[in-house]
Formats: sequence, structure tokens, C-alpha cells
Amino acid sequence: DAGVIQSPRHEVTEMGQEVTLRCKPISGHDYLFWYRQTMMRGLELLIYFNNNVPIDDSGMPEDRFSAKMPNASFSTLKIQPSEPRDSAVYFCASRPTGGNTQYFGPGTRLTVL
Amino acid sequence: GENVEQHPSTLSVQEGDSAVIKCTYSDSASNYFPWYKQELGKGPQLIIDIRSNVGEKKDQRIAVTLNKTAKHFSLHITETQPEDSAVYFCAGGGGGADGLTFGKGTHLIIQP
Repeated sequence: DAGVIQSPRHEVTEMGQEVTLRCKPISGHDYLFWYRQTMMRGLELLIYFNNNVPIDDSGMPEDRFSAKMPNASFSTLKIQPSEPRDSAVYFCASRPTGGNTQYFGPGTRLTVL
Repeated sequence: GENVEQHPSTLSVQEGDSAVIKCTYSDSASNYFPWYKQELGKGPQLIIDIRSNVGEKKDQRIAVTLNKTAKHFSLHITETQPEDSAVYFCAGGGGGADGLTFGKGTHLIIQP
């Protein structure tokens, strides 16, 4: 099993630019979670999907953030326009229906200059 | 919603000694409590978990205890080794909730 795959692993961009982060969950997992990790706030849940449908996006910081899951194998988290305070590590995690364990990807380290 | 508090934020122990990390949770409906280990530059990896129908669980040098009445659970690592150095996160979930609420993490440092 390849595990959860995220790309890119590192992203450096300038303030105002659009950023798109990508995630491929583990095959057969029906839940997908997007987290943001910072030193100050720890691991924060941004949004999660079940069977490609967004269930709870209450953690999305503001309208500049959006997430989609067009199919069971792919999800994106988009920030437009990006700001320096968006700099963080973004993780994607997935889990199967009926299980509680979440499996994390390696993360994308985003730096907004 | 669930709130998970984790202590200490940093823990330094001598190699070979034991380490204990403690967490408390607020939602009595939570029934699943995993512990994750995060090494530098990597995503969190599950190391052990416990469900509310069990008071203790062991896996080699790692053990987790759960006190449902007091709403706290702890991670115990015995005979610590240099490769145990990492950030450890506790979390609470289940009981009808889809997600997990994570503690702020403990940076465990194993001194040689």
C-alpha cells in the first residue's frame, strides 16, 4: 500500500498568488481530512469529506480557502490569494468507513513570502 | 465539541528511563483515543490506540492507560531509546464523531 500521497512536498510562493495542494487517499478509504499544522495552533482540522462530499468545513479559516474532492482518489486544497500567515504544513489524512484510525500523508510545507 | 489538553509540552529523559505523557478530554461521548508519533519532516504515524471499553493496552515498550471517570489517558514509554525522540500527539474521537481532536503535542527528547 502506497499510503496517503501529497504533492507538492514543498511550496514557496509570493503573497497574492494562488496555491493548490493535492492529496490522494489510501484506496478504499471513504473519509478524507485536511489539517493545518503550525507551532502556535498545533494540528487544526480544516475540512473533511465522506464519499467525496464535504461534511464539515467549519475549520476553514476564511473564504480564501476552498477544497474539492472530484472523485474518490483525489482532493485539492486551494488558497487564493495566499498570505504570509498561511505559511504552515498542510496534511491530508484518510480513513475507512467503520474505522477510527486516520492515516496521514507526509504533508506539504507551504511558505508564503 | 471535544477539547483535548496534553502535558507536558516538552519532556526530556535519560536514555533507558521511562517517559509519561498525559492527556485529558472533555466529551464523555468520545470512545477512541489514539497516540501519534511525528518525526521531523514527516506526517503523524499511529503508534497505539485504546477504546473506552479497555483500561490499558500494551505493545512492547509502549502502553496506554485510560480513566473514563476522570476523562484522562496517558502514554507510557519504557526503556527509552534515541529513536523515541519525536513529537507525540494524543487525540480523542469516535462516539458518533467522524473526526479526531488532537492535543498540542509533546516534544520528547531522549538524552544519551
